[in-house]
Amino acid sequence: EAGVAQSPRYKIIEKRQSVAFWCNPISGHATLYWYQQILGQGPKLLIQFQNNGVVDDSQLPKDRFSAERLKGVDSTLKIQPAKLEDSAVYLCASSLVSQGQGTQYFGPGTRLTVL
Amino acid sequence: QKEVEQNSGPLSVPEGAIASLNCTYSDRGSQSFFWYRQYSGKSPELIMSIYSNGDKEDGRFTAQLNKASQYVSLLIRDSQPSDSATYLCAVRRRSGGSYIPTFGRGTSLIVHP
Repeated sequence: EAGVAQSPRYKIIEKRQSVAFWCNPISGHATLYWYQQILGQGPKLLIQFQNNGVVDDSQLPKDRFSAERLKGVDSTLKIQPAKLEDSAVYLCASSLVSQGQGTQYFGPGTRLTVL
Repeated sequence: QKEVEQNSGPLSVPEGAIASLNCTYSDRGSQSFFWYRQYSGKSPELIMSIYSNGDKEDGRFTAQLNKASQYVSLLIRDSQPSDSATYLCAVRRRSGGSYIPTFGRGTSLIVHP
């Protein structure tokens, strides 16, 4: 079974530029998560999708971040414009169900550096 | 108050010892609890999940949950240098028909030979 795929793996941009990340979850997984992990901290949930609907986006900075999940499969996360404090690893995860016992499987992450 | 609290460490133990990692959470409505291991530069991987009070054992790992005290722990027996990593505690709370995960900041474990 293929794992969660993410691209790009690394991205370096200047502040105020825009950037987009892509995630392809494990086939059949209804729930998709985007996390931001700053060095030395735990993953922070940005947005959670159930199929193509948003379950929770309470920690997504909506003035600059946006995310969509087309047709309930792939997802993109966009930052526009980027700030220095957005430098982090962006992790995508998926699970078969969002109920309490659904195991989350993480992708390799995208390391973003904002200069 | 942070929702999921962990001591950032590092926790240093000798090879062969028991490593004890602790986590407290603030939301009494939390339903399920997870321990992830994260090696430097890698993604988190699930070690254990626990849903009811008591102990759950899997090989060298034992998860312990006490919902009354809002406390979950992970014991690693016969610690090996390969266990050196950051251990993340995650808690899921119910929101509508879904479960929303929250992670702690992680505890760094160092197992020295």
